[in-house]
Amino acid sequence: EVQLVESGGGLVQPGGSLRLSCVASGFTFSNYWMSWVRQAPGKGLEWVANIKQDGGEKYYVDSVKGRFTISRDNAKNSLYLQMNSLRAEDSALYYCARRYSSTSGHAMDVWGQGTTVTVSS
Amino acid sequence: EIVLTQSPGTLSLSPGERATLSCRASQSVSSSYLAWYQQKPGQAPRLLIYGASSRATGTPDRFSGSGSGTDFTLTISRLEPEDFAVYYCQQYGSSTTFGQGTKVEIK
Repeated sequence: EVQLVESGGGLVQPGGSLRLSCVASGFTFSNYWMSWVRQAPGKGLEWVANIKQDGGEKYYVDSVKGRFTISRDNAKNSLYLQMNSLRAEDSALYYCARRYSSTSGHAMDVWGQGTTVTVSS
Repeated sequence: EIVLTQSPGTLSLSPGERATLSCRASQSVSSSYLAWYQQKPGQAPRLLIYGASSRATGTPDRFSGSGSGTDFTLTISRLEPEDFAVYYCQQYGSSTTFGQGTKVEIK
């Protein structure tokens, strides 16, 4: 079964750090771009970051540039999001997602269930 | 950054009716990179349509996507009870963005 399982969320004070993990199973992880997407309570989806198969290309939404770092370990089938200098507005459910690519198009076809990050004093 | 604007914000319809959801981009988007997702409460998003018009595996054929350039549409031909949910469009590029969502609710 194709699956993504996130972990590492929790309660952290403003200015603090947290590292999220996402473990993939059921597919060849190293063949896919991967993404992090977040959703604040009661709000819509917000893309956070993308990373290429070999980690050689990374892209971030402007609001997290310089604070968050996306990375991966293909040997461990794992995706990570290092979050530093956290702010209250970073509080959200964080999903990891797989990028599907074909000649017809590209999209996020597999999603985890998410891990919750709460930034509060 | 490409901004996606979805309309309407909420669509109140009855089962069996047709739903038409709009997604307008602030600049031209390649159809290959336009997708639609469905999200139900407490669940992760589910991919419905990619490449603007290709149905993802498991997407019923009552769902169809169309459009090009800056205007895209998701149509649900006849609403089933399980279709009442929030729908998001997305443009997938090096910088990816989502629309703000359209909630399809039971009238």
